[in-house]
Amino acid sequence: QQQVKQSPQSLIVQKGGISIINCAYENTAFDYFPWYQQFPGKGPALLIAIRPDVSEKKEGRFTISFNKSAKQFSLHIMDSQPGDSATYFCAARSFGKQLTFGSGTQLTVLP
Amino acid sequence: DAGVTQSPTHLIKTRGQQVTLRCSPISGHKSVSWYQQVLGQGPQFIFQYYEKEERGRGNFPDRFSARQFPNYSSELNVNALLLGDSALYLCASSTDGSYEQYFGPGTRLTVT
Repeated sequence: QQQVKQSPQSLIVQKGGISIINCAYENTAFDYFPWYQQFPGKGPALLIAIRPDVSEKKEGRFTISFNKSAKQFSLHIMDSQPGDSATYFCAARSFGKQLTFGSGTQLTVLP
Repeated sequence: DAGVTQSPTHLIKTRGQQVTLRCSPISGHKSVSWYQQVLGQGPQFIFQYYEKEERGRGNFPDRFSARQFPNYSSELNVNALLLGDSALYLCASSTDGSYEQYFGPGTRLTVT
């Protein structure tokens, strides 16, 4: 049973635009929601993470929005750049348990 | 500061063979987790170790085993390799099994 559903599968955005990736979860025990960025041939790199006690967290151009009642969270990349082109994974975890990943979104930012 | 390191970078094995993958965590991190990432999918959890004790195991067959050493490095062993074991094997470390996990570059295993 897939516990974290991610959409869209792929996303194409113009340079300077806003990229939005969405995730939904089922397990209400999850209490930590990170986003990872992965370039081809590399391991995932932790971008930003949020706990469910806040509705939004911003770090630079990256913002996580969290809706606990809807069990959804999203990543917004402002002023998207060609260097942001990568695969993005949402994930979720409850304390003492492993990370459960979404299926990934391949982002392409056109110059 | 060095991040998580993994060796080897690439590996080609034949069906039925055995393989050992190695991971060194970030200095000061005591927990190591292993993930399998099949092309086009998100990483899937295999094992977590903390202070040399197994803390969790994912839905993988007994052909997969792991251990953690006193210096907190770790090995993942896979026996009787199948074509379906071809994947990127990722190691992640954290301070005490807490939330923030940092991934290494992975070992690309190809089974022919």
